[in-house]
Amino acid sequence: GEDVEQSLFLSVREGDSSVINCTYTDSSSTYLYWYKQEPGAGLQLLTYIFSNMDMKQDQRLTVLLNKKDKHLSLRIADTQTGDSAIYFCAESIGTWGGKLIFGQGTELSVKP
Amino acid sequence: DVKVTQSSRYLVKRTGEKVFLECVQDMDHENMFWYRQDPGLGLRLIYFSYDVKMKEKGDIPEGYSVSREKKERFSLILESASTNQTSMYLCASGPRQHFGDGTRLSIL
Repeated sequence: GEDVEQSLFLSVREGDSSVINCTYTDSSSTYLYWYKQEPGAGLQLLTYIFSNMDMKQDQRLTVLLNKKDKHLSLRIADTQTGDSAIYFCAESIGTWGGKLIFGQGTELSVKP
Repeated sequence: DVKVTQSSRYLVKRTGEKVFLECVQDMDHENMFWYRQDPGLGLRLIYFSYDVKMKEKGDIPEGYSVSREKKERFSLILESASTNQTSMYLCASGPRQHFGDGTRLSIL
C-alpha cells in the first residue's frame, strides 16, 4: 500500500540551511506537497511539485524530486527561528484534488 | 485567501456522548476532508467528500460518520464517543487542501 516516511527530528543553527527528507512508495503519485504546522495550529501549505518536475524553487524554499528513488526533499535556506515547526510531506493519490497520504512529520528545531 | 473555520479549538466530552465537529469553508470548494492527528502517526484520513451529500470512507472511518448537506459545511460525527477518539481533528478543503486550525477533542 501507499506509505510516506520522514525522519522525526532535525536540529539546525540559525542561518544554516535545513534539508528535510521524505520517501514515498506509490510511483503513480501525481503531486507531492510540503506543509508546515506551527504549535497549536492547522497545516499550512508551503509548496508542491508536479511529478514530472525535478526541482521547484520559491524564495528560501527549494524542493527536489528524485522520481527514480521516490525521494523528495525540502531545503530551507538561511533558516530562522520562525521556521521552527513540524513539516509534513504528502503524496497525492489519483487525480488532482484527491486523497493525500501524509508522512509522520519532521520536527525542525532552529537554535539561535 | 481561503478560510477554513472549525467551530471549536478545544472540546471536552464524556464517553458515550454524540459529538459534532463542524467545518465551514468560504471558497465554494467541492472537496472537503476530515483527518485526525496523533503523535507519531501523522495525519490519518477519516472521511472525505467531493460534493454535497456525497461521502467516501478514508483509512479510519470506524466510529465516525459525516454529513454534507451544504457545499460549504462538512460535519464529522462521533456517534458514541470513546476515550480512544481523544485526538486533534483537522478539516481541509479544496484541491490543495487548505486546513483549519484544528479541534483538540478530549473524551473523558
